[in-house]
Amino acid sequence: DIVMTQSPDSLAVALGERATINCRSSQSVLNSSNNKNYLTWYQQKPGQPPKLLIYWASTRESGVPDRFSGSGSGTDFTLTISSLLAEDVAVYYCQQYHSLPWTFGQGTKVEIK
Amino acid sequence: QITLKESGPTLVKPTQTLTLTCTFSGFSLHTSGVSVGWIRQPPGKALEWLALIYWDDDKRYSPSLKSRLTFAKDTSKNQVVLTVTNMDPVDTATYYCVHSSNVMAFGVFDYWGQGTLVTVSS
Repeated sequence: DIVMTQSPDSLAVALGERATINCRSSQSVLNSSNNKNYLTWYQQKPGQPPKLLIYWASTRESGVPDRFSGSGSGTDFTLTISSLLAEDVAVYYCQQYHSLPWTFGQGTKVEIK
Repeated sequence: QITLKESGPTLVKPTQTLTLTCTFSGFSLHTSGVSVGWIRQPPGKALEWLALIYWDDDKRYSPSLKSRLTFAKDTSKNQVVLTVTNMDPVDTATYYCVHSSNVMAFGVFDYWGQGTLVTVSS
C-alpha cells in the first residue's frame, strides 16, 4: 500500500495569511505514461463529509475558490491557501489514486490564530 | 444533481453482519464509466477506502478487509449494498457512500453522501 503522510498535523494561521500543508507519498504517484500525478485534496468541515478541492495534484474542482492551489510531483505535494478565511477552518486530507488500495493521509487541521 | 444517501443500522453487536444501503440519484450505474464506493472514518480519525463497484459490475476491495466485504448493486433501484461480516468495535465509524467516474478518474471522489455512523457495541 502507498502510505500518505501529511505535515503538520495541525496549524494555526492568522486570517488573511497563507496556510501550507504538505503531503508525502511512500511511492511516486506520477504516471509516466500521461505525466499526471494521481493525487487529490479534500476539505472536511466539522460534521460534514469531505469535499473534493483538487485532483491531478493541481486542478481545482469546479467552484473551488482560487485561493486554494495544489502543487508538487512524484512523492511530494503541497496544498496552499493563499489568504485564509474563517470559512477555511477544516481538516484537509490528501489521497492517492495511483494504486489500489487508494489511501489517504492522516489529515491536517487548520485553525485560526 | 448527484446525491447519495446511506442507510442502515446505527448499532450492531460484535460478530454481527452490517448491511449498508446507498441510494443515489442524478446518475445511473448503467452508464459506462460510472462507479460507486464506500469510505469510512472512525471518530476523530482519518478516512479509509473500503470498496468500489463499477458500472460493469466489476468490484475492487481494500485488501485489509476484502475477506469481510461484499458489494452488490441494484441498478433498477439506483442502490448499492455493502455487507461487512464479523463486525468488531474497531469498525465503529461513519460510513460514506461516494461517486467516482472516469470523467476525472476512478479514485477521485467528487460526490459524497452525508454518512451514517455505525457503532459496534454489545
